[in-house]
Amino acid sequence: EVQLLESGGDLVQPGGSLRLSCAASGFTFNNYAMSWVRQAPGKGLEWVSTFSGGGGSTYYADSVKGRFTISRDISKNTLYLQMNSLRAEDTAVYYCAKSSFGLFGLGHWGQGTLVTVSS
Amino acid sequence: EIVLTQSPATLSLSPGERATLSCRASHSVSSYLAWYQQKPGQAPRLLIYDASNRATGIPARFSGSGSGTDFTLTISSLEPEDFAVYYCQQRSNWPVTFGQGTKVEIK
Repeated sequence: EVQLLESGGDLVQPGGSLRLSCAASGFTFNNYAMSWVRQAPGKGLEWVSTFSGGGGSTYYADSVKGRFTISRDISKNTLYLQMNSLRAEDTAVYYCAKSSFGLFGLGHWGQGTLVTVSS
Repeated sequence: EIVLTQSPATLSLSPGERATLSCRASHSVSSYLAWYQQKPGQAPRLLIYDASNRATGIPARFSGSGSGTDFTLTISSLEPEDFAVYYCQQRSNWPVTFGQGTKVEIK
């Protein structure tokens, strides 16, 4: 059974940094693309970033490019999102998701972790 | 960027009724469209991928159709657990985008 468990969400001041983690189990981690998707309070879903399986290409939404970095540790079956220069508009629940159809088809999701950017 | 427009924003129906949700893309996405269901306080769940393929474990009352720019999610007979928000998502072009959602509420 695929399981994705996010952690690291917290309250942080504008301009601050935070690292989110997603511990994966139940599948061969290196073989699948993994993504972060966020949802601001009361709003819809927004794609943030993807780390492809195998070759390890990365993709970022324009709204986070240059501020966020996606990475993975295969030895720990863990996906990360390093978030720098955080802004109030980054406040959201951040979901980790595993691709199951194509690079960006999200078949499995974690339960999410809340990031609040506020002074 | 491909914009996905979902309609209606809210659908008020009774259990047992048929629900028809629409997703229109600003440019063709071929068949690279998925549908997700989200209940309050929960993560989204994949229902349909590549326009018409049901994900594992999804009941047969959920079906998807369409290609190009116009897509439909149909719930043939609403069960109490189907009242939720539904999102479409395209993976044809980067950046990947979602629609704004359709809320299916109990009438």
